[in-house]
Amino acid sequence: AQSVAQPEDQVNVAEGNPLTVKCTYSVSGNPYLFWYVQYPNRGLQFLLKYITGDNLVKGSYGFEAEFNKSQTSFHLKKPSALVSDSALYFCAVRDNQRSNSGYALNFGKGTSLLVTP
Amino acid sequence: ETGVTQTPRHLVMGMTNKKSLKCEQHLGHNAMYWYKQSAKKPLELMFVYSLEERVENNSVPSRFSPECPNSSHLFLHLHTLQPEDSALYLCASSQERGMTYEQYFGPGTRLTVT
Repeated sequence: AQSVAQPEDQVNVAEGNPLTVKCTYSVSGNPYLFWYVQYPNRGLQFLLKYITGDNLVKGSYGFEAEFNKSQTSFHLKKPSALVSDSALYFCAVRDNQRSNSGYALNFGKGTSLLVTP
Repeated sequence: ETGVTQTPRHLVMGMTNKKSLKCEQHLGHNAMYWYKQSAKKPLELMFVYSLEERVENNSVPSRFSPECPNSSHLFLHLHTLQPEDSALYLCASSQERGMTYEQYFGPGTRLTVT
């Protein structure tokens, strides 16, 4: 079974400060990990992914994430938060082995990020 | 725009109605998905069409019926729904057998069952 956990329902940060949104995962094989962002009344937008290679992955809008195999984590980070970053963030995982659900992603419950001016 | 379109964007239907949701992807992908997003719940995978093979989530009630006539189009047929089926229904697509794997989502259909 594959799953992700996002331990924080909400993260609050002041504009200009660094932000971190946490994600831990559980898979039986090697993980493929993803971050998505959802703005109100919109679908999910892909931010970045880790498949293999460098543990630090850079994505859209200045976001990056660090894959940590020993801690089974894939935290999303940004050095300087913007008010426009306020949204719902989802971590997702898929196993590199085909499961009964094909290659579908398992999503966390989401973390609401609020960046205040 | 992500290259995945969904129609309608909003739908209000009674419990005895029959309606269909439509999804179209313009990305040349070979897998498509339906997800249900309810308030304060994780995204629920409903159906997957991957490499022309349908994989079904066993917990989806039979009042939801998917159809995938080709790799670019996906439908979700709805009939005799319940109020608890009110949610945002998201379609996604991806390219399997490559090194991408990420899914691209449409804007969703906001469904209200009265």
